[in-house]
Amino acid sequence: DTGVSQDPRHKITKRGQNVTFRCDPISEHNRLYWYRQTLGQGPEFLTYFQNEAQLEKSRLLSDRFSAERPKGSFSTLEIQRTEQGDSAMYLCATGTGRADTQYFGPGTRLTVL
Amino acid sequence: AQSVAQPEDQVNVAEGNPLTVKCTYSVSGNPYLFWYVQYPNRGLQFLLKYITGDNLVKGSYGFEAEFNKSQTSFHLKKPSALVSDSALYFCAVRVTGNTPLVFGKGTRLSVIA
Repeated sequence: DTGVSQDPRHKITKRGQNVTFRCDPISEHNRLYWYRQTLGQGPEFLTYFQNEAQLEKSRLLSDRFSAERPKGSFSTLEIQRTEQGDSAMYLCATGTGRADTQYFGPGTRLTVL
Repeated sequence: AQSVAQPEDQVNVAEGNPLTVKCTYSVSGNPYLFWYVQYPNRGLQFLLKYITGDNLVKGSYGFEAEFNKSQTSFHLKKPSALVSDSALYFCAVRVTGNTPLVFGKGTRLSVIA
């Protein structure tokens, strides 16, 4: 257990529905990253926060995706109008300091039917 | 752009034998290099990292990796493999301390008793 928690661990939804995932970081970590991992691939970067500021977004993050970190603590990732191609494992990682090691949560596995 | 290559999808090794999982990278600038391990339906666990200094880095569970700048490689090694080392291994790179990680596709290690 790295100390990073994610909820829910699994989510099954129908195409077109909205889903929201939550990540709770290690308490002193000011950086929080979201990645997506599909079968047979390494994680791909989606977006990251330093405290409450969203500093970078990947081109993978379409306008159906939005992420927040309102008080610089937990973060949420919302996907609107889900598509079957959104089915993946969504991973949250947190870190702090120079050259920080990123510690990953257990992930949320999304299945879109 | 940064990239990581893990040339082997699968590595098989007998228990007790040494193991090597290969990784090469391409970056502009000095790399920060990482190895993570992933067990089924779990998030990624940090094994070790190279930031600067000694080219041989020691990490968790008896793993080590050697940074080779001229060959742009960062191969993961262990002197004596255990069946419990069987998992998916990811190499990752970043070029500054607060940027997202770029991952390879992963190498599945199978240690046979």
